[in-house]
Amino acid sequence: DIVLTQSPDSLAVSLGERATINCKSSQILYSSSNRNYLAWYQQRPGQPPKLLMYWASTRESGVPDRFSGSGSGTDFTLTISSLQAEDVSVYYCQQYYHPPYTFGQGTKLEIK
Amino acid sequence: QLRLQESGARLVRPSETLSLTCSFSADSISGMYCSWIRQPPGKALEWIGQIHSTGLTNFNPSFKSRVSMSVDTSSSQFSLILSSVTAADTALYFCARTWGAAAGNWFDPWGQGAQVTVSS
Repeated sequence: DIVLTQSPDSLAVSLGERATINCKSSQILYSSSNRNYLAWYQQRPGQPPKLLMYWASTRESGVPDRFSGSGSGTDFTLTISSLQAEDVSVYYCQQYYHPPYTFGQGTKLEIK
Repeated sequence: QLRLQESGARLVRPSETLSLTCSFSADSISGMYCSWIRQPPGKALEWIGQIHSTGLTNFNPSFKSRVSMSVDTSSSQFSLILSSVTAADTALYFCARTWGAAAGNWFDPWGQGAQVTVSS
């Protein structure tokens, strides 16, 4: 199985500041398409996960542009450029390069 | 906008069978995939498996001996069956649409989830 390791496990950031979450995997770049098979999700308390990004850096429709995804190969980052109160959530990365599809352990983001 | 809703028994006895249904708010689910994902209390997400509207399945080997899935296209529903459950199967079970290996197997949208407790 492809193991995804997120860092940090938890993060406290001031409102308006930048938040950065990392996800490390084995190779999930499909060379023939030059696409990274990675998605990011936001899970607010008591809610199902919500898709934020796919192909590592493509923002899902309706997701605010303060969210961005970057990285390639084995190292990926989700960045929130200016933290808002509604961004308090647990964030997960997920690989769909090869089944079984796996998730990172999650990063809990709080307000400092 | 497609909506998914899980239904089924929320309390299952140890060694018995967990059965959940995911209803898609679509007149037709032809060509669609449904994945089942679970989240034990306080833990991360775990993919159980996927089924296509044709009935083609792909399971996580961790569950392979205990899991089956089915589809009822006339009702726009997909189902999960997990046998021989133990307390370790207590979790919030989600269904989510996936898009197939060619399009990308991310999960969107998700159902609200069904909390299943395994207890005598």
